[in-house]
Amino acid sequence: EAQVTQNPRYLITVTGKKLTVTCSQNMNHEYMSWYRQDPGLGLRQIYYSMNVEVTDKGDVPEGYKVSRKEKRNFPLILESPSPNQTSLYFCASSLRRLAGGNTGELFFGEGSRLTVL
Amino acid sequence: SQQGEEDPQALSIQEGENATMNCSYKTSINNLQWYRQNSGRGLVHLILIRSNEREKHSGRLRVTLDTSKKSSSLLITASRAADTASYFCATDANSGNTPLVFGKGTRLSVIA
Repeated sequence: EAQVTQNPRYLITVTGKKLTVTCSQNMNHEYMSWYRQDPGLGLRQIYYSMNVEVTDKGDVPEGYKVSRKEKRNFPLILESPSPNQTSLYFCASSLRRLAGGNTGELFFGEGSRLTVL
Repeated sequence: SQQGEEDPQALSIQEGENATMNCSYKTSINNLQWYRQNSGRGLVHLILIRSNEREKHSGRLRVTLDTSKKSSSLLITASRAADTASYFCATDANSGNTPLVFGKGTRLSVIA
């Protein structure tokens, strides 16, 4: 079954304690992306990757890191989480995202709800 | 960055009625996509319409695109309680290496 898998689905942590949210897709997609969703603000892109070893900042990259060592995995790293990173996070992938535009259908994971105390 | 804005923010209808949601955006696009999100779940792609298309159908969904007005509409016909969800439009800009940008969504409630 084609899917995007995120872990953990729920996490409560404390300020400053490094954490990683994993994302894996089994569709051989080149393009992967992380979003956060907050009430009243919609979905905002954090980072994206157009292929292995190629990553770029989205609209709200501060406080986050990513890596893309393999095509299927795109982990989101919070080196020193703060309460303003409490949010619902989504990983998504797509068959392509060509430079200059034209994103295809995005497949989303089920989300990771993170609370930073 | 540009953003699609959905209208209305919330919509409540009776089962069997049609639901129409609108999306407006600011700059030229390659395509516009509609997604659905059940409460707290991941978004699910519904339909993609390219900038050179005016209308597209998928089952009970009908999407229109008017690039001169920079707007799109999503029509759900003969709505069901199971259609209760949030609906988002997302625009793929026609310039630079900009990301797919999502609007804030329309919350649809279909009452049985």
